[in-house]
Amino acid sequence: IAGITQAPTSQILAAGRRMTLRCTQDMRHNAMYWYRQDLGLGLRLIHYSNTAGTTGKGEVPDGYSVSRANTDDFPLTLASAVPSQTSVYFCASSIGSGGSDTQYFGPGTRLTVL
Amino acid sequence: GQNIDQPTEMTATEGAIVQINCTYQTSGFNGLFWYQQHAGEAPTFLSYNVLDGLEEKGRFSSFLSRSKGYSYLLLKELQMKDSASYLCAVRESNYQLIWGAGTKLIIKP
Repeated sequence: IAGITQAPTSQILAAGRRMTLRCTQDMRHNAMYWYRQDLGLGLRLIHYSNTAGTTGKGEVPDGYSVSRANTDDFPLTLASAVPSQTSVYFCASSIGSGGSDTQYFGPGTRLTVL
Repeated sequence: GQNIDQPTEMTATEGAIVQINCTYQTSGFNGLFWYQQHAGEAPTFLSYNVLDGLEEKGRFSSFLSRSKGYSYLLLKELQMKDSASYLCAVRESNYQLIWGAGTKLIIKP
């Protein structure tokens, strides 16, 4: 593994189903983030984790949950998917959550909820 | 409220220079980032400014004026591979990033 990986690459999901998007990084970064990107809008933060064992809510957390059991993994779960959750989801990580700490992004998961 | 404005789309010619502007109104300021995003790919880091002035990095430069809530990204000697979206993001006082919608740059031969 090099950098950040996400799985699956893409998924079509029926409304009401539960789905977990996986994110793993091997850079030993402390902070991790989940964003969604929709056409015409900027990246919007869903949840974040400044260090293993802690999580926080971003701008659009409703309908999503996360966990951070260790440094490397930060899964995002949709408990009961709805069509408005159709989006491209990016996981990112940074060495810390300070001012100049650059966020590095995974390749994204394209999710379609029907 | 929070707001970051960038032009939706710009067109430029190969070999030319283009300036992409970003204006912001945010809750506090802890730096401004520029990212490049090719279609279907992840954003990649280009530059970071926290003090006023110009930061130069090869063909790309980024400028910041905190008093005006304004930044620009300057791309010189444009190449076809520079066709991408350019994202402006501001780190607020809570250290979260607020992102603009991005500027799609189209390079013509």
